[in-house]
Amino acid sequence: ILLTQSPGTLSLSAGERATLSCRASQSISGNYLAWYQQRPGQAPSLLIYGASTRATGVSDRFSGTGSGTEFTLTISRLKPEDCAIYYCQQGGSSPITFGQGTRLEIK
Amino acid sequence: VQLVQSGAEVKKPGASVVLSCKASRDDFTNLYMHWVRQAPGRGLEWMAVVTPNAGSMSFAQRLRGRLTMTSDTSAGTVFMAVNSLTSDDAALYFCALGGPQHLEIWGQGTLVTVSS
Repeated sequence: ILLTQSPGTLSLSAGERATLSCRASQSISGNYLAWYQQRPGQAPSLLIYGASTRATGVSDRFSGTGSGTEFTLTISRLKPEDCAIYYCQQGGSSPITFGQGTRLEIK
Repeated sequence: VQLVQSGAEVKKPGASVVLSCKASRDDFTNLYMHWVRQAPGRGLEWMAVVTPNAGSMSFAQRLRGRLTMTSDTSAGTVFMAVNSLTSDDAALYFCALGGPQHLEIWGQGTLVTVSS
């Protein structure tokens, strides 16, 4: 399954809301769609799984929605530490695939 | 839970590299250990998954035949070998523990450089 993320780069100010999109080439079984945050120089970390369930310890500023082929990650009240690349990943069909990432810049 | 990966490697083209990933929890063998790599400045590429307890493995089609995974469950460690290295294999390699559908805990990564 091919995952296409948009936009490629998002530049917003602190306090604003970010909306990141992930579109799948075919419906994702079980809505097994996850989101990861990768800060510069760090390993990715899990934010959301099952399309909408926040991982342990993840701020409620992060929320995931969607089903089928269209998924969204919303980050509210942006903070400087949200500067990162965000990846979606599907686990409904083998092999696991990742989107190409959305770079979020905080102005 | 923490995953600690082995140190950076420098290999010549055509050589093999063995990477290790040690888990800090004893029951990791019931979970799924994934391997993901990231070429410099690029995105994430899923490579393979193993369930150490069941010995079940799955590989990305384009890497199948060049990957070998083994586990030392008593040491809480999973190993992955990548054979016939080319410059395209130069990347940061991550192990990640989780379920079959998502990757919950990530290691710090092992940098593999391929250079003659």
